Amino acid sequence: GNSVTQMEGPVTLSEEAFLTINCTYTATGYPSLFWYVQYPGEGLQLLLKATKADDKGSNKGFEATYRKETTSFHLEKGSVQVSDSAVYFCALRLLGNYQLIWGAGTKLIIKP
Amino acid sequence: ETGVTQTPRHLVMGMTNKKSLKCEQHLGHNAMYWYKQSAKKPLELMFVYSLEERVENNSVPSRFSPECPNSSHLFLHLHTLQPEDSALYLCASSQEQGINYGYTFGSGTRLTVV
Repeated sequence: GNSVTQMEGPVTLSEEAFLTINCTYTATGYPSLFWYVQYPGEGLQLLLKATKADDKGSNKGFEATYRKETTSFHLEKGSVQVSDSAVYFCALRLLGNYQLIWGAGTKLIIKP
Repeated sequence: ETGVTQTPRHLVMGMTNKKSLKCEQHLGHNAMYWYKQSAKKPLELMFVYSLEERVENNSVPSRFSPECPNSSHLFLHLHTLQPEDSALYLCASSQEQGINYGYTFGSGTRLTVV
């Protein structure tokens, strides 16, 4: 079946550290891939996306590259800030299917 | 106003009450969704409406009743809820067609059943 697996959290880092949150997927077709972020007390916001292999999505200093050979879409940021503390969700969408398939979410805590 | 708006932001209700959650989108999307988000659980898809027709009902108890009167509005009617129904209820919308599009979410309604 189709699924998304994220690294378990919480991930705790110091400010200005390098961030990687792993995401791998299993899909029967060629999905589009998404990262969403949920700040405390809020809904989910689209952070970035990639729609085909080798595409790189980027936004607010975050990046993720669609790796078909490793079925991965890892989220990275070079220097995190306290304001990046949130829960991050990886998701995929398949052609002809309106549903998003979600990872479990990874809580990120950034300490000053 | 653009985006997805949910009201109320917070709701406390007794188990015998009847209340409704409202969701409104002004994005021209043609699909709308209700999700339940409980602490330490994955996002649970509850209902999907596409072109104002319900296309998915993921074994949700009948005490939750959705309504989609038009493509811009979605309601979730609640009655005789249980304490375990306390959660964040999220509404989202999207373009039905188009793999390249994700969802746009509202800020959610934090529901507490007492």
